[in-house]
Amino acid sequence: GENVEQHPSTLSVQEGDSAVIKCTYSDSASNYFPWYKQELGKRPQLIIDIRSNVGEKKDQRIAVTLNKTAKHFSLHITETQPEDSAVYFCAATDSWGKLQFGAGTQVVVTP
Amino acid sequence: DGGITQSPKYLFRKEGQNVTLSCEQNLNHDAMYWYRQDPGQGLRLIYYSQIVNDFQKGDIAEGYSVSREKKESFPLTVTSAQKNPTAFYLCASSIGLAGVYNEQFFGPGTRLTVL
Repeated sequence: GENVEQHPSTLSVQEGDSAVIKCTYSDSASNYFPWYKQELGKRPQLIIDIRSNVGEKKDQRIAVTLNKTAKHFSLHITETQPEDSAVYFCAATDSWGKLQFGAGTQVVVTP
Repeated sequence: DGGITQSPKYLFRKEGQNVTLSCEQNLNHDAMYWYRQDPGQGLRLIYYSQIVNDFQKGDIAEGYSVSREKKESFPLTVTSAQKNPTAFYLCASSIGLAGVYNEQFFGPGTRLTVL
């Protein structure tokens, strides 16, 4: 089945710097890769997603890149702000279409 | 955000008791899911349903049961057979299971504590 690994587990950045989170997946049939942000005590919310026929997608300060050959995808956050502090989860579809989630990255943005 | 509700927000259970967590959605989504979240382990799939009257086991179904009698509702029962039920439970829904239709919308969660 699909296995999604996410690194790092924690990431501390200074406000204004960039943050990068990386995920790898195992199922070559995966075709949808969403990223979710979860603030403390709240529900996960979709922040950006990418389909397998696209290599990169950008939405303001957030971008996601996908390398299908290497089976990895990354989340890039530029000009980080304190409100970016949260847990971020990557996910990939398995052969049945279900999402398999990574273990999460705790991002802390320090002023 | 809106469209998926879970109740209760907090739930306390004594050992040996079954409890049922509620999940309702008004997004007209066919697919619904239950996840368990433990610290440092991400989201693990318990059960999912693609359509009314049909559901499938996820990765950690042991000790749990579900029903899907209505499109809008997907209740989860945590039985006494679940050895370590204390966790944060999240319900989600999506249009379907194909590609981008898998964009999942989450409920606010239920925090279950076994006393």
